[in-house]
Amino acid sequence: IAGITQAPTSQILAAGRRMTLRCTQDMRHNAMYWYRQDLGLGLRLIHYSNTAGTTGKGEVPDGYSVSRANTDDFPLTLASAVPSQTSVYFCASSDSGGGASDTQYFGPGTRLTVL
Amino acid sequence: DQQVKQNSPSLSVQEGRISILNCDYTNSMFDYFLWYKKYPAEGPTFLISISSIKDKNEDGRFTVFLNKSAKHLSLHIVPSQPGDSAVYFCAATPGYSSASKIIFGSGTRLSIRP
Repeated sequence: IAGITQAPTSQILAAGRRMTLRCTQDMRHNAMYWYRQDLGLGLRLIHYSNTAGTTGKGEVPDGYSVSRANTDDFPLTLASAVPSQTSVYFCASSDSGGGASDTQYFGPGTRLTVL
Repeated sequence: DQQVKQNSPSLSVQEGRISILNCDYTNSMFDYFLWYKKYPAEGPTFLISISSIKDKNEDGRFTVFLNKSAKHLSLHIVPSQPGDSAVYFCAATPGYSSASKIIFGSGTRLSIRP
């Protein structure tokens, strides 16, 4: 069982370019999440989806969009990257409907640098 | 203003001794708390949680203590082992209903020295 996979592992991107970070889980979890991790700030939620076909905004959604066409995939798109989006991005999933007591399982992360 | 604060960016503890990681929160609506552990180049993994109806939860070598009046929680690791060297994130949420409300602290890097 792979759990959660993220691609790419790392990426250097020119400002203004469009970028999609991929996330796939094979656990058939209903809920999925995207976080960014910045030094001194911990993990901050960007967007989430409690079930396929629905999405919601987290703490820092500006500049990002998501879609949830099926259970397994939850891509994160930066329409026009800016240097402040340089960060490590983690995708996570949890069973059930996205309750806080449902354990979240995280992917290995994507390190993105926007120049 | 950070609602969940881990004021010690790093902590070094000798192997076999107790490691105590601290976390403070400001939002009195928080009533469910979690600790995650993260190794380099990996995603965080869930470690232990506690709800506000309890003041202690234990799982093997890991114990979390909650002091609601002080808005403070701590993670105790006894005895500390080399594999415990990692970054530990404290997190809090107002209720069980939605993981989208979880707020994470900035993390504490624990180093276990031989």
